[in-house]
Amino acid sequence: DQQVKQNSPSLSVQEGRISILNCDYTNSMFDYFLWYKKYPAEGPTFLISISSIKDKNEDGRFTVFLNKSAKHLSLHIVPSQPGDSAVYFCAASASTGFQKLVFGTGTRLLVSP
Amino acid sequence: GAVVSQHPSWVICKSGTSVKIECRSLDFQATTMFWYRQFPKQSLMLMATSNEGSKATYEQGVEKDKFLINHASLTLSTLTVTSAHPEDSSFYICSARTGEVNQPQHFGDGTRLSIL
Repeated sequence: DQQVKQNSPSLSVQEGRISILNCDYTNSMFDYFLWYKKYPAEGPTFLISISSIKDKNEDGRFTVFLNKSAKHLSLHIVPSQPGDSAVYFCAASASTGFQKLVFGTGTRLLVSP
Repeated sequence: GAVVSQHPSWVICKSGTSVKIECRSLDFQATTMFWYRQFPKQSLMLMATSNEGSKATYEQGVEKDKFLINHASLTLSTLTVTSAHPEDSSFYICSARTGEVNQPQHFGDGTRLSIL
């Protein structure tokens, strides 16, 4: 049972445009959500997070939106840059216990010049 | 800040060898550390959660006698793959977080383990 899903395995965007990466979850106990960026043969790099008490969090070019009723979150990158090309994972956890992360399957973003 | 160092980055060894991987939080105290495994083109799968000074909690299907985890201090956790076989070849990644609620896990750069 995949509790966190990223239905788009890949996304191509032109430099300067907006990249929108989507993520859906099924477990209503999740209340903390994160986005990580990953290059091959490297560990994930934390980008941005949001707790369930908010519906939006912004950090520079990155904005995460959370729609709790739809159990959906999205990451907006604007403007997109070629250096943003990587695999993006969303992750979710419940704020109880050790806050173990459940990862989505990832979306490969390619930003072309 | 929030740097996690993982060593070694690449290991190639013969079948039957035991391999130890270290994970260190360099600039913060990690109450909890996590060990993941990633197969090619797949997501990260949590293997175990370790807390300083206590036994690790393993996910279902992960053999605790095969994957020994020690979290001896607030800045160091080790994963030992005992008597490694070719099917243990994978990319192993650790992460660490403080004990504060809603703080992200920070990841090491991973270890590529290849068993011949």
